[in-house]
Amino acid sequence: QITLKESGPTLMKPTQTLTLTCTFSGFSLSTSGVGVGWIRQPPGQALEWLALIFWNDDKRYSPSLKSRLTITKDTSKNQVVLTMTNMDPVDTATYYCARTVDTAVGGNYFDYWGQGTLVTVSS
Amino acid sequence: SYVLTQPPSMSVAPGQTARITCGGKNIGSKSIQWYQQKAGQAPVLVVYDDSDRPSGIPERFSGSNSGNTATLTISRVEAGDEADYYCQVWNSRSDHPVFGGGTKLTVL
Repeated sequence: QITLKESGPTLMKPTQTLTLTCTFSGFSLSTSGVGVGWIRQPPGQALEWLALIFWNDDKRYSPSLKSRLTITKDTSKNQVVLTMTNMDPVDTATYYCARTVDTAVGGNYFDYWGQGTLVTVSS
Repeated sequence: SYVLTQPPSMSVAPGQTARITCGGKNIGSKSIQWYQQKAGQAPVLVVYDDSDRPSGIPERFSGSNSGNTATLTISRVEAGDEADYYCQVWNSRSDHPVFGGGTKLTVL
């Protein structure tokens, strides 16, 4: 059974740095083709992809947020950590982590998702 | 950047067929995925690689992809299908995933 769970602060102040941890089970991030990504969703809005890390430590970042994001993995702990600097009220959202696997023609999709964690940014 | 366009909302009566579209330039050359998100819940993958279903997803959910439009078809719609639906592809040029803006499906 594959599960993912996000953890981190629920309330932050502007300019602070957000650190979120995704703890997963049922798969290994050392398996070829597997990755873990972060996706966020502001209240009432659409999904927005943030970052991805693959089994071989290859990383991808959203172009619009790249300067603020860092994604790392700890394979031995089955964890992926996302940091986002300089938080702003517009970053208020539910943050999801999800496992990613290869598509048939190249690229990846998200087959298992965590329950999400709501992060509110307010002074 | 690659843009996926979905209608913001649509409605369908129970028992009817819902067709949710996702438009993008030459999207037929890409693998498309569809996610269902019910209110207050995390997204769930319902179709991957254009038309494959994960285990546990009813056969009522099907997908197609050609030209500049991909379609998620939900046959014999039930009240429990009411949700937001998102399409997603991999942008090979910039090498990252892209989500559509989502379609809110209302079951009348």
